[in-house]
Amino acid sequence: DQQVKQNSPSLSVQEGRISILNCDYTNSMFDYFLWYKKYPAEGPTFLISISSIKDKNEDGRFTVFLNKSAKHLSLHIVPSQPGDSAVYFCAASENSGSQGNLIFGKGTKLSVKP
Amino acid sequence: DAGVIQSPRHEVTEMGQEVTLRCKPISGHDYLFWYRQTMMRGLELLIYFNNNVPIDDSGMPEDRFSAKMPNASFSTLKIQPSEPRDSAVYFCASSLGGTRQETQYFGPGTRLLVL
Repeated sequence: DQQVKQNSPSLSVQEGRISILNCDYTNSMFDYFLWYKKYPAEGPTFLISISSIKDKNEDGRFTVFLNKSAKHLSLHIVPSQPGDSAVYFCAASENSGSQGNLIFGKGTKLSVKP
Repeated sequence: DAGVIQSPRHEVTEMGQEVTLRCKPISGHDYLFWYRQTMMRGLELLIYFNNNVPIDDSGMPEDRFSAKMPNASFSTLKIQPSEPRDSAVYFCASSLGGTRQETQYFGPGTRLLVL
């Protein structure tokens, strides 16, 4: 059973517009969340993270929002650029879990059209 | 910095053959992770090491899979015998330090196809 779910396998957005990628989780013990970006033929690269003590974290064009009551987080990219086209993975971990145990979603493929 | 290095990048083998995947972590990193990515299950952790010692191998699917880290700069993931359902992309990642906030740096992956 997937503990981290990215229900949209793909998303297409026009350049300059906002991209919103969503992620839901089921384990209430998760308290640290990350987003990774992956280009074809490359490994995932870390993008942004958020701790459960916050509800928002911003880094340039990228903002992650966390809604603990809904067990939902989202990644906003504003403005979207063609270079943002990639697969985005949501990941989560719990404090009591194994140190390295990140639970990943299956990813959402973002296409930003010029 | 060359980043995490994995070899081979692609591997095609026949069912029953032994497969060995290799990883060189970033110099100085003391954590090393092996992941597998499939369409069905997404990206899942197989095993990770701290200072060359396996810490959690609960994600290793079965006894056909084994991983070693003989020194700080090299790790292998071996599948013997391989089966078609092992076809996937295998990623190695490394990180510096033991907190969850430490970024894991991924290699480019090995795409394995078992016929």
